[in-house]
Amino acid sequence: DAGVTQSPTHLIKTRGQQVTLRCSPKSGHDTVSWYQQALGQGPQFIFQYYEEEERQRGNFPDRFSGHQFPNYSSELNVNALLLGDSALYLCASSSRAGEQYFGPGTRLTVT
Amino acid sequence: AQTVTQSQPEMSVQEAETVTLSCTYDTSENNYYLFWYKQPPSRQMILVIRQEAYKQQNATENRFSVNFQKAAKSFSLKISDSQLGDTAMYFCAFMKPNTGANSKLTFGKGITLSVRP
Repeated sequence: DAGVTQSPTHLIKTRGQQVTLRCSPKSGHDTVSWYQQALGQGPQFIFQYYEEEERQRGNFPDRFSGHQFPNYSSELNVNALLLGDSALYLCASSSRAGEQYFGPGTRLTVT
Repeated sequence: AQTVTQSQPEMSVQEAETVTLSCTYDTSENNYYLFWYKQPPSRQMILVIRQEAYKQQNATENRFSVNFQKAAKSFSLKISDSQLGDTAMYFCAFMKPNTGANSKLTFGKGITLSVRP
């Protein structure tokens, strides 16, 4: 049973560009949460998807958007990239009553 | 809003010894969950231990145990018989259960633990 998978592993983008990160949840999980982790800091909650809808959102601008597909996989989109968006982006999946299992993350570098 | 505070940025322990990592939190909720996550250099966030606030008994997972003091809003992690593989960043996290989908995790800033051979 594969755990949570994320792609790509690393990504380098230029300021102003747009990026899409992908996440496949653990088998049996229907909820996907996204977190941003700056270097040396704890993860910060971006948003959570359940039943293809955004259910909760953290304190992130509208440049951050997402999507959940019928197979429960999810995408995180960031528009108009800023240098400050450079971080590790973590995806976590869970079932409605369960714990959150994290993927290995995508390291985004904005130059 | 909930906050989680880890005031020790880093700690070091000799292999086979015991170390305690501190965490405090602030919430007005009565029912919630607390977690310790481990993040080794490989970046994968791994759940170490979980505590439900309504349970008075402290959670234990093999060499890992917690000291949960609800009134003091304190949640420390004790690692016994430290091993080199315990070297990692450790994050304390809070979650308020939500109806329907799971709620979000609120993390502390983390503590870097180094185990010396």
